[in-house]
Amino acid sequence: EVQLLESGGGFVQPGGSLRLSCAASRFTFSSYAMSWVRQAPGKGLEWVSGISGSGITTYYSDSVEGRFTISRDNSKNTLYLQMNSLRVDDTAVYYCAKGSGHNTVTVVLSPDWGQGTLVSVSS
Amino acid sequence: QSVLTQPPSASGAPGQRVTISCSGSSSNIGINTVTWYRQLPGTAPKLLIHSSNQRPSGVPDRFSGSKSGTSASLAISGLQSEDEADYYCAAWDDSLNRPGFGGGTQLTVL
Repeated sequence: EVQLLESGGGFVQPGGSLRLSCAASRFTFSSYAMSWVRQAPGKGLEWVSGISGSGITTYYSDSVEGRFTISRDNSKNTLYLQMNSLRVDDTAVYYCAKGSGHNTVTVVLSPDWGQGTLVSVSS
Repeated sequence: QSVLTQPPSASGAPGQRVTISCSGSSSNIGINTVTWYRQLPGTAPKLLIHSSNQRPSGVPDRFSGSKSGTSASLAISGLQSEDEADYYCAAWDDSLNRPGFGGGTQLTVL
């Protein structure tokens, strides 16, 4: 069974930075695109960022473009999300999700999700 | 603002059939398949329907999906109390070159 374990969430002041990690196991990590999806309190789901299996192709939502950077280390089976210049409206539970194939388009079909990590941005 | 449009709420009595709509455009649903997720409070989303009308193994056949033009629908028949959840549609958008969700529909079983 696929396992995805997020970590790195926490409390940070506006303007601060955090790096989220997602440790993956029980599948060939480099063969699958991965994504970060967030959910603000009481709100819907938002695809934040995604990356292809090779790490060459990435995408970002307009709300985080230029502030967040997605990356992966296929030798460590780990996905990352570097979050800079954090804002109050970045407060959310952040999930990592495994796509169904190598290309970023396959993240739409994500059969496996982590349990989420909470990021709270407040002064 | 969500790329795809869903009604914020839906409801039905036990045993009834309910449908949830998802409206998009020619750059997303019009040319790509639709995925549906279900989310219970405090838990991660769960894949419910993929490729517009395919059920992953383990999903009861009470759940079905369809797509026509730039719209899609999720139908749940034989409604049960445990079906109370939030339901999200999703599709890749070729113009934005990224995926998008609908705003989500909260289903209440009366």
